[in-house]
Amino acid sequence: QVQLQESGPGLVKPSETLSLTCTVSGGSIKNDYWNWIRQPAGKGLEWVGRIYVNGVTNYNPSLKSRVTLSMDTSKNQFSLKLNSVTAADTAVYHCARGLRGYYALDVWGQGTTVIVSS
Amino acid sequence: QSALTQPASVSGSPGQSITISCTGTSSDVGGYDYVSWYQQYPGKAPKLMIYDVSYRPSGISNRFSGSKSGNTASLTISGLQAEDEADYFCTSYTSISLYVFGTGTKVSVL
Repeated sequence: QVQLQESGPGLVKPSETLSLTCTVSGGSIKNDYWNWIRQPAGKGLEWVGRIYVNGVTNYNPSLKSRVTLSMDTSKNQFSLKLNSVTAADTAVYHCARGLRGYYALDVWGQGTTVIVSS
Repeated sequence: QSALTQPASVSGSPGQSITISCTGTSSDVGGYDYVSWYQQYPGKAPKLMIYDVSYRPSGISNRFSGSKSGNTASLTISGLQAEDEADYFCTSYTSISLYVFGTGTKVSVL
């Protein structure tokens, strides 16, 4: 069964770039859409973006100017970069798989906390 | 894109049925049959319970059911059990940002 695990620095300085990686185990990254979702403390979930193996990406318009998603099929990983971060980007970041053929997210990682602070 | 509105908490006794609402607009919930529901225990990964308004993934108990009327979708848990105590959130497709999420509901089993 497919499992997802987020990894990356837990602390990022303001104005710098947040970088996270999601490692996919138990299945191939080549056949589905892979998403990032975040949840600031005490607030609701926010979809960040998704990537497909052919490089096609979709981003939340509210974050589009600062977000880049990429994929490394040799490592079965996909990554998130969010630049020019502020305290408002402090959140739990989840990666998730898109349910094939549907607008739903059928496998999620547990999430990793990223704090933006100097 | 505003979040979908859910009640902050819903509670019920074991064996009872409860319903969680998820209210959006004609640009999301009301415009598409792409509402999904998730269950999340503290510190754990969310779990898909319902997709496309009313379909259950393999392995999900038939005690969980989904429906939609206008701009409001609903998740009903029948035969409430202690293990159902968790957070639940909805999400809908939207042409603006692909996915918009609900504010989340804490279900308590009395």
